[in-house]
Amino acid sequence: DAMVIQNPRYQVTQFGKPVTLSCSQTLNHNVMYWYQQKSSQAPKLLFHYYDKDFNNEADTPDNFQSRRPNTSFCFLDIRSPGLGDAAMYLCATSRDLIRYNEQFFGPGTRLTVL
Amino acid sequence: AQSVAQPEDQVNVAEGNPLTVKCTYSVSGNPYLFWYVQYPNRGLQFLLKYITGDNLVKGSYGFEAEFNKSQTSFHLKKPSALVSDSALYFCAVREGSNSGYALNFGKGTSLLVTP
Repeated sequence: DAMVIQNPRYQVTQFGKPVTLSCSQTLNHNVMYWYQQKSSQAPKLLFHYYDKDFNNEADTPDNFQSRRPNTSFCFLDIRSPGLGDAAMYLCATSRDLIRYNEQFFGPGTRLTVL
Repeated sequence: AQSVAQPEDQVNVAEGNPLTVKCTYSVSGNPYLFWYVQYPNRGLQFLLKYITGDNLVKGSYGFEAEFNKSQTSFHLKKPSALVSDSALYFCAVREGSNSGYALNFGKGTSLLVTP
């Protein structure tokens, strides 16, 4: 089945220690998104890639970076995690941004910062 | 600015009864509206969307939603609830075809279907 895969499902890191979360897709979608979802809150978009074009949301902290080396993979790098960055991180894809814009989500990576 | 409101934190319904999860939206242009469901420790699953056309949209798992422009609402409905429908439901909106592509999610409504 075509799907969005996130690894690891659970990640524990120390305060200030860089961490990378991984997302891959077999849908061959053009767009990949990263969301942050804190406990009992709605998901919040951090950034997205349309193909190789990176689009950062205006209020995404500089501490969060992303890489998309090819169509299938997208990474979320947190350079210096703080306690406030503990959250579920959701990766999503869509075929495009307009007509076929429904987003398909991975299972998420739950990040704990000690 | 675009936003959605889900006025109910929790909806309780007995199995077999119809269910409604409410959503109202605010955008300055034409809305693109979505419903997603989230099961515990899982990602969001797409249920249905409205972009244009028929106001009644049918989606996955027997869910449907009705776009009401005059009331700026997009309520999610199902004629007969199942216990397995118990989950967290998110309404989301984005404005038209430009001015950014972020989905603005509501805070979510927890649906509990009891046997």
